[in-house]
Amino acid sequence: ETGVTQSPTHLIKTRGQQVTLRCSSQSGHNTVSWYQQALGQGPQFIFQYYREEENGRGNFPPRFSGLQFPNYSSELNVNALELDDSALYLCASSPALGQGEGIAEAFFGQGTRLTVV
Amino acid sequence: QKEVEQDPGPLSVPEGAIVSLNCTYSNSAFQYFMWYRQYSRKGPELLMYTYSSGNKEDGRFTAQVDKSSKYISLFIRDSQPSDSATYLCAMATWSSARQLTFGSGTQLTVLP
Repeated sequence: ETGVTQSPTHLIKTRGQQVTLRCSSQSGHNTVSWYQQALGQGPQFIFQYYREEENGRGNFPPRFSGLQFPNYSSELNVNALELDDSALYLCASSPALGQGEGIAEAFFGQGTRLTVV
Repeated sequence: QKEVEQDPGPLSVPEGAIVSLNCTYSNSAFQYFMWYRQYSRKGPELLMYTYSSGNKEDGRFTAQVDKSSKYISLFIRDSQPSDSATYLCAMATWSSARQLTFGSGTQLTVLP
């Protein structure tokens, strides 16, 4: 088990609504990334936060936004939900530079299963 | 064309078999290579992390990277039913080392 925790574990929302997903990173990790995993697919990178600032973004529209807090926990917000947003949302944390085995290490939480109806 | 292609499977093998899982990639800037294991309804678990070409061994698992061919593999020796899961390859560039690009995953079943 990693030390990355996500809440809630499951969520059902109606199309057009807004949702907030939460992530607590592993102790000592200062970088948090969010991924979307559709059924039967690999995770797709949404964005990454480092020291409370967005530090990279994948090919997702602006209605996907996020925050990182001083304790390195993070939120993912999705506005105007669409049916295609139904997926497993994964949070990954990475250790501070100079720690861990390597710079690209990422440790994932259990995910939040979002269903949009 | 996807940046990372992974044999989709599903793959079914008898207990004790040697399993070979493979990914190819098109982006020569990828420098970091990882294998994750994902059980049903769980998050991915980091299995192997490699940086350079060559082999890296950890117990029953061996990761192999061939940068010249843009090809990576994960070998599982003496496979066990508990190895039944989806295996995901992931890669990252030096400039965006923590932004992983994943393959679509290979579903493996090890039959007792």
